[in-house]
Amino acid sequence: GAVVSQHPSWVICKSGTSVKIECRSLDFQATTMFWYRQFPKQSLMLMATSNEGSKATYEQGVEKDKFLINHASLTLSTLTVTSAHPEDSSFYICSAGAGMGNQPQHFGDGTRLSIL
Amino acid sequence: GQNIDQPTEMTATEGAIVQINCTYQTSGFNGLFWYQQHAGEAPTFLSYNVLDGLEEKGRFSSFLSRSKGYSYLLLKELQMKDSASYLCAGSTGGFKTIFGAGTRLFVKA
Repeated sequence: GAVVSQHPSWVICKSGTSVKIECRSLDFQATTMFWYRQFPKQSLMLMATSNEGSKATYEQGVEKDKFLINHASLTLSTLTVTSAHPEDSSFYICSAGAGMGNQPQHFGDGTRLSIL
Repeated sequence: GQNIDQPTEMTATEGAIVQINCTYQTSGFNGLFWYQQHAGEAPTFLSYNVLDGLEEKGRFSSFLSRSKGYSYLLLKELQMKDSASYLCAGSTGGFKTIFGAGTRLFVKA
């Protein structure tokens, strides 16, 4: 079964709306989670590393005031797309590692965001 | 810098064998992942290579050469359901994973 739960799976909203996406690790604690963005037929692009109890680490070119990340507990990270516009429409995916070292990431099912 | 290259698309016939190559240049390289991703879905883990050599897991095998910065994923006895994108990804430590653009595999009857 799924070890990482992501919600919602699909969002359609008007331009200017803020959208919150949740990522939960179901049966393990994740001190680190990752947020990716994927455009059609393109690769997963790492947006930021979410660190429990501290500020997220953003990749170059990602606006931290636009994409707010909160990792308040060991099982939950949230990504809020603030004042979303049509160009923010994309597939957003979170992932978490279950152990120490270089373990494979468990991915959430993704959130398809469409801004009208 | 980080750079992962893999072919954009490949086509193969049901029942055949296909090899998907990946070359990488990543700083702080620890290991090489392969993921499968069907359209509109999240990636699913296939394999992880840390040491040089071939690792076999059922119909799928993965190879790594650290000195050459090269890996491949080998799929045997292809099935129609294997049509998907295959993502090569480098692990750079601390869980951080850098993905290639993916290879879209089309399996035809």
